Amino acid sequence: EVQLVQSGAEVKKPGESLKISCQGSGYSFPSYWIAWVRQMPGKGLEWMGSIYPADSDTRYSPSFQGQVTISVDKSISTAYLQWSSLKASDTAMYFCARPAYYGDYEVGWFDPWGQGTLLTVS
Amino acid sequence: EIVMTQSPATLSVSPGERATLSCRASQSVSSNLAWYQQKPGQAPRLLIYGASTRATGIPARFSGGGSGTEFTLTISSLQSEDSAVYYCHQYNNWPPFTFGPGTKVDIK
Repeated sequence: EVQLVQSGAEVKKPGESLKISCQGSGYSFPSYWIAWVRQMPGKGLEWMGSIYPADSDTRYSPSFQGQVTISVDKSISTAYLQWSSLKASDTAMYFCARPAYYGDYEVGWFDPWGQGTLLTVS
Repeated sequence: EIVMTQSPATLSVSPGERATLSCRASQSVSSNLAWYQQKPGQAPRLLIYGASTRATGIPARFSGGGSGTEFTLTISSLQSEDSAVYYCHQYNNWPPFTFGPGTKVDIK
């Protein structure tokens, strides 16, 4: 079974740093992109960025470029999302997801999703 | 960036009735559109990809249609467990991937 398991909920103070994780299993982890998606309280889904574990190629949404860092350790099938200085506005649920391939290795829909990591900054 | 819009924002439907949700893209995304269902406190669940292909395990009452810039998700006979927020997602042109703002489906 293809599965993404995320690290647990976090409560942090403004200015602190944080790294959350997403571990994949049941498939060839290096061969599939991992996406990070933010969901602020009561709001919709926002794509933050994606990383290709095989070569660490990383793409960011302009809205999140410079605000977060996405990284990966393919030896332990884990992707990371990190902040160097948290703000109250970073309070949100963060999901990782695995895009599927279609056609000629085009990156497509997100399935599966991790269970989410709730971050509270206060 | 491709902007996705959804209508209506909220839809209230009686059990057994049909629900039709709309999604529009600011430019053509071909058939490269997915739909997700999200219930409170849960991760999104893939329902439809390729605009009209049901994901594994999704009941036949869910169907998707459209191409280009106009898409629909239809729930043919609404069940109580279908109460959720539904999002469309274009993957034709990235970065960035973009989602619609969601349609909340309530059971009357």
